[in-house]
Order: sequence, then structure tokens, then C-alpha cells
Amino acid sequence: DTAVSQTPKYLVTQMGNDKSIKCEQNLGHDTMYWYKQDSKKFLKIMFSYNNKELIINETVPNRFSPKSPDKAHLNLHINSLELGDSAVYFCASRSTGGRNSPLHFGNGTRLTVT
Amino acid sequence: AQSVTQLDSHVSVSEGTPVLLRCNYSSSYSPSLFWYVQHPNKGLQLLLKYTSAATLVKGINGFEAEFKKSETSFHLTKPSAHMSDAAEYFCVVRTTDSWGKLQFGAGTQVVVTP
Repeated sequence: DTAVSQTPKYLVTQMGNDKSIKCEQNLGHDTMYWYKQDSKKFLKIMFSYNNKELIINETVPNRFSPKSPDKAHLNLHINSLELGDSAVYFCASRSTGGRNSPLHFGNGTRLTVT
Repeated sequence: AQSVTQLDSHVSVSEGTPVLLRCNYSSSYSPSLFWYVQHPNKGLQLLLKYTSAATLVKGINGFEAEFKKSETSFHLTKPSAHMSDAAEYFCVVRTTDSWGKLQFGAGTQVVVTP
């Protein structure tokens, strides 16, 4: 199936640990994103990569480090996890060829830090 | 700067009755506007988008939205709610910076009662 897929779906870990979330899209898009959705459902962009280059880097703690090995993959590594990092993280992609091309979202990774 | 305000955080409707989700936007330019839906434990799915071609935009699942420049609104409607419409709905505007980030509204939770 053509899709944006992210793993794992659920991630439960303790404070201080380091964890990674992976994302892959097979839609042929050139731009990928990480969004964070908090407990109130508010969605905020964290990062965006275009053809493996970082183009958007919002005010995110430097414990969060995205990596894009190729334009079909965008991974998110989080160091020294804190309670406030608990959220649902969504990967998304789009083609920047069309100005109004929509985002395609993965199903999310629910991160719980205890 | 571009932004959207969803006027209702929660809407409850009876099955078979009309649904109205209100969204106002703020933009110095002709905006690109979207509505996304998020079903429980799922990613976000595009319902429809406005790209200045037509002010009345039809989307999937019987939803439509009307762009009204004079009112700076982009309200989402459906004539007859179905139980499967119960979800979180997001109004979204694309920013005019070089990479066209999406700014999400705070979301409206729709509850459909039998």
C-alpha cells in the first residue's frame, strides 16, 4: 500500500532513556515532517526535511534530533526523555511540486514517558 | 502571519442532522485552507482544500466548506451526520513563508448521538 508508515505505534519508556521513532513514505514525496500532538490534541510542527535537508526547525529542545538518510525516510531520535515529551508524534509528507499539495500523515506514535 | 481559529472545541449532533464546524482565518494574502479529520487513534486525513479556484469546496464523505473572504471564514458543513463522522476536525492554513508550513487550529471534537 502507498502510505506514510511510522514505527513503533506505541512507545513506553522511563525518564532519562533515549528512544527513536522511524518514518517511511513510499509516495515519492520530497518533503517530510514531524508533528507533535499534545494531550489537548493541539498539533505543532517540529521539523521538516526537503530532499534530506533540514528546512524547518521550530523551537524544539536539542534533545530531539531528526535524521533523514534519504528522502523517503525521516527518523526522530530523542535523548534524555522527560515526562513532558509524552505525546503523539506524527510523521507526514508532501510533494512541494504543487503549492497546495496536502500533507499525508502516518498513524502516529504514542510516546509515554514514566 | 497566518492563523486559524476554530470557534467550537466540541460539537454534539444527532445522527441525521446537519453538522457545522466553524473556522475563521487570518491572512494578509489569499490563503490556502484545508480541513483534516482525525479518527480515534488514527492519523489525519484530508477532507478538502481551498485553493482560490472556487469558493464552495466539496470534499470526501459528503463534507463541504465555503470560503467567505468578507467574513474571513471557512466553515465546514455536512447536511446529515453519520455515526462514523465522530472524530476530531482541524482547520488548517498554509503559511506564506518559503516552505509553506501548515498552521493547525485547536481542533473541534464532533460527537454524534443516535
